[in-house]
Parts: sequence; C-alpha cells; structure tokens
Amino acid sequence: SQKIEQNSEALNIQEGKTATLTCNYTNYSPAYLQWYRQDPGRGPVFLLLIRENEKEKRKERLKVTFDTTLKQSLFHITASQPADSATYLCALVNQAGTALIFGKGTTLSVSS
Amino acid sequence: NAGVTQTPKFRVLKTGQSMTLLCAQDMNHEYMYWYRQDPGMGLRLIHYSVGEGTTAKGEVPDGYNVSRLKKQNFLLGLESAAPSQTSVYFCASSYSMGFQPQHFGDGTRLSIL
Repeated sequence: SQKIEQNSEALNIQEGKTATLTCNYTNYSPAYLQWYRQDPGRGPVFLLLIRENEKEKRKERLKVTFDTTLKQSLFHITASQPADSATYLCALVNQAGTALIFGKGTTLSVSS
Repeated sequence: NAGVTQTPKFRVLKTGQSMTLLCAQDMNHEYMYWYRQDPGMGLRLIHYSVGEGTTAKGEVPDGYNVSRLKKQNFLLGLESAAPSQTSVYFCASSYSMGFQPQHFGDGTRLSIL
C-alpha cells in the first residue's frame, strides 16, 4: 500500500532562517503532491500543489521541490517568521485516484 | 464567503448514544469528505462523496454512516458511539479529485465517555 512519511514530528528554528520540511513516499508514483498548513484548533489550509513534471514551485517565501527519483518532496520557508509556526502536512492522491493520503505532519516552531 | 461549515464544534456523548455531524459547503463543490484526526495518526479518510446522492468508503469507515442528499451538505452519523471514536472530525470539499485542493472546515471535537 502507499505510504507517506514526514520525517520530523517537530522542527525548531530561529526567525530569519530557512525551514526545510521533508516528505517521503513509497510504493507508487503520484502525479502530484500537495502541501497544507494547519494551525491549532483549525482545519488544514491548502498552500501549494506540485506536479510530477515540475521540479520546483514557488509562492512568495514558500518553495516546494518534487524529486520523483528519490520519491521525496521538500518544503522550504525562507526568512521564517514566528507567524509561520504551525503544523505542515503533505498529501498525495492514492493510486486509485479516489482519495488524498496525508502525512502525519511536521510541527514548525519559529522563535524570535 | 463561509467556505466549509461544520456543526457542532464540540460534543460529549456517552457510549452507545447516536449523533449526526453536519457539514455544509457554499462553493458548489462536487466532492466532499469526512476525515478523523487523532494524535500520532494524522488525517484518515472515513467516507467520501463524488456527487449528490453518492457515497463511498474510505480508509476507516467502520462504525460510521454518511448521506449526501443535497450537493451542499454531507452528514456523518454515529449510530452507537464508542470511546474509540473520540477524535477531531474534519469535513472537506473540492471541485474534483484531480489537481484541485481540498477546503476544510474547522472541525468537530467529539468525546465519547
């Protein structure tokens, strides 16, 4: 079965640094991968989608890469701010194309 | 624009009681989903619907039933609540299961004693 893993449960960094979160998947090759942000007590909010033929995608201070050979996506937040503190989830569509499978998330804490 | 609205926000039930969680979306989305989120388990899909009048099982459907009588509403029912169903339940919707993001509500926190 398809598996998706976010390597770190928690990541602590200082304000102004670049945060890098990792998402690995196994057992199949998704056509695209999505990243979401979740704040405490709230539902996930969509951030970015990257397709298998895109190596990199950017949105403001966010950058996502997708390496289909390594079966890995990296999510970068540059010039991080305390307001970036949240849990970040990666998700990919299952092989049947019927549902999104979510990783367990990485909780990012940015200290000033 | 309300997006996805879930009611109630909190609920405490006794084992064996029944209840229905309500989800409404105002984006004219075809697809709707119910997830549960537990510590250390991430989001897991319970049931989903690809359009009005349709439902399908997700990863963890046992103990739950759903109905999609109207396009904008997706109901999740617990017929006989069990402590293992204590969780945070999220509803989501999307235009399709293609290259489309899912829009989530803010969840229902359900405790079963």
